[in-house]
Amino acid sequence: QQQVKQSPQSLIVQKGGISIINCAYENTAFDYFPWYQQFPGKGPALLIAIRPDVSEKKEGRFTISFNKSAKQFSLHIMDSQPGDSATYFCAAIGNTGNQFYFGTGTSLTVIP
Amino acid sequence: SAVISQKPSRDICQRGTSLTIQCQVDSQVTMMFWYRQQPGQSLTLIATANQGSEATYESGFVIDKFPISRPNLTFSTLTVSNMSPEDSSIYLCSVHRELSTEAFFGQGTRLTVV
Repeated sequence: QQQVKQSPQSLIVQKGGISIINCAYENTAFDYFPWYQQFPGKGPALLIAIRPDVSEKKEGRFTISFNKSAKQFSLHIMDSQPGDSATYFCAAIGNTGNQFYFGTGTSLTVIP
Repeated sequence: SAVISQKPSRDICQRGTSLTIQCQVDSQVTMMFWYRQQPGQSLTLIATANQGSEATYESGFVIDKFPISRPNLTFSTLTVSNMSPEDSSIYLCSVHRELSTEAFFGQGTRLTVV
């Protein structure tokens, strides 16, 4: 059973556009929601993360929007650049354990 | 942050053989995690390795197939035993800092079984 559902599977965006990736979860025990960025041949690297006590977090061009009642969160990449082309994973972890649950990933391609 | 060195970065192996993947961390950590990432898919947790105790395996993964060693707080190995083409995947080790929810990953080992 997929604990965290992610969409879309792939995304193509023009340079300068906004990339939006969505995730949904069911387990209300999750209390930390990171996004990871993975380039080919590399391990995932933390991009930005949020806790459910805030509805939005922004770091540079990257913003997480969090809707606790809907159990959904999304990553917005503003002014998308070709260098943002990578696979993005959302994840969730609960307050009682150390196990991360990852979404299925979104392959983002930003066209120059 | 944590710096994780994982070796080998890639390998091509014959079916029926075994491959041991090494993971070295630049500082002591209690828990290390091994993941499998199949092409175009998400990360699936194989097992959690604590120093001084048996690894805890997730459903669908067994010790005979994926034996893990954790001899100290900075090192772990994962062996993929009696390999078949279905084992072709990327294998990643990961750690969390103490009292931190942030996960750090090695660069992965791309395994191809022929």
